[in-house]
Amino acid sequence: EAGVTQSPTHLIKTRGQQATLRCSPISGHTSVYWYQQALGLGLQFLLWYDEGEERNRGNFPPRFSGRQFPNYSSELNVNALELEDSALYLCASSLFRRGADTQYFGPGTRLTVL
Amino acid sequence: DQQVKQNSPSLSVQEGRISILNCDYTNSMFDYFLWYKKYPAEGPTFLISISSIKDKNEDGRFTVFLNKSAKHLSLHIVPSQPGDSAVYFCAASLRSSGAGSYQLTFGKGTKLSVIP
Repeated sequence: EAGVTQSPTHLIKTRGQQATLRCSPISGHTSVYWYQQALGLGLQFLLWYDEGEERNRGNFPPRFSGRQFPNYSSELNVNALELEDSALYLCASSLFRRGADTQYFGPGTRLTVL
Repeated sequence: DQQVKQNSPSLSVQEGRISILNCDYTNSMFDYFLWYKKYPAEGPTFLISISSIKDKNEDGRFTVFLNKSAKHLSLHIVPSQPGDSAVYFCAASLRSSGAGSYQLTFGKGTKLSVIP
């Protein structure tokens, strides 16, 4: 069974640009979560999607947004990039509402903002 | 305000001995706790979890203990192996929350080094 996949592996952008990160969940998982791991920090919750809807978001500005597609894959968009957005962005998936809410993570996308 | 704390950034243990990783939390509403292991350049891998209705859960060499009154949990690895060297994250969630808030709140991690 394929795990959570993310693309691209690395992404280099300059300040003010937009970044788009993609995530494909484990087959059968309907929930997708996005986390940011900045240098020296733990994983910070960004966004949670389930059944195509945004269920919750963390303490991040509105320029962090995303969506979930009908096939449950997801996209994270970061607009007006700032230097401090440089981080590892992790996507996780889970079976929501089935009592099996353990999250399984992808390998991450390393975003570097110059 | 950090709701999940791992106060030891690093830990070194001899191969074959016990590794004990600690985690404290402040939100008494948390009712589900997980440990993840992370190697460099990889995403975190789920290791073991425990519900707040239990005080111990065991899976092979890994055991998690939960002390609700102290808001403390620990992960024991016995015996420790060099392949266990990784960063370990403690995480918590509000499983039974009416808001259905299932996102995980993570600690900053503890880097475990198992010395051969």
